[in-house]
Amino acid sequence: QSALTQPASVSGSPGQSITISCTGTSSDVGGFHYVSWYQQHPGKAPKLMIYGVSDRPSGVSNRFSGSKSGNTASLTISGLQAEDEADYFCSSYTRDSTLVFVFGTGTKVTVL
Amino acid sequence: EVQLLESGGGLVQPGGSLRLSCAASGFAFSDHVMHWVRQVPGEGPVWVSRINHDGTDTQYADSARGRFTISRDDAKNTVYLQMNSLRVEDTALYYCVRDSDYRIDYWGQGTLVTVSS
Repeated sequence: QSALTQPASVSGSPGQSITISCTGTSSDVGGFHYVSWYQQHPGKAPKLMIYGVSDRPSGVSNRFSGSKSGNTASLTISGLQAEDEADYFCSSYTRDSTLVFVFGTGTKVTVL
Repeated sequence: EVQLLESGGGLVQPGGSLRLSCAASGFAFSDHVMHWVRQVPGEGPVWVSRINHDGTDTQYADSARGRFTISRDDAKNTVYLQMNSLRVEDTALYYCVRDSDYRIDYWGQGTLVTVSS
């Protein structure tokens, strides 16, 4: 089972919108509605930003939104702010018999 | 407030053993499936092991099966990961995480495991 594929880096200016992709297979991203996105600042624990493809936990800004098409999920950050600079990774439940969750390779978001 | 506090990491030689612990608080521990996930700095996380809410069902990644054992003590609100026959490639930050209906919603701060001679 390979990791979900994400771009290594994405950048944008304050106020802009950026989108991070997360590509898997029909056995994970494409097969379930259990895609999550996490934000991780250096030296910190990951924080859940999106679950169930597009739902936001209480307290997460509505500037963060999620979607899915086929085997690819996406995280969009609108109105980019300096504090959004962090690593982001996706996760999906998987029907692979040797795994329960599979994670993305991670994307470094830089605010220019 | 949900808190997950890992401990037990450290430096160990190849072939050695470590027992990680994760003390949970702020939620009904016995209601939740728990997992261990590891992450090498600069890389994406990797799922390691899962235990169901009452400890009767466990699952392991191929890399952990036969060497690692996950367990829980609901009276102590604690989940454990016994790691034997450690390899250099097991070096990582190990996170205890909470599962809520097929999503990992809380992570601990992690405990660092370094396997080196």
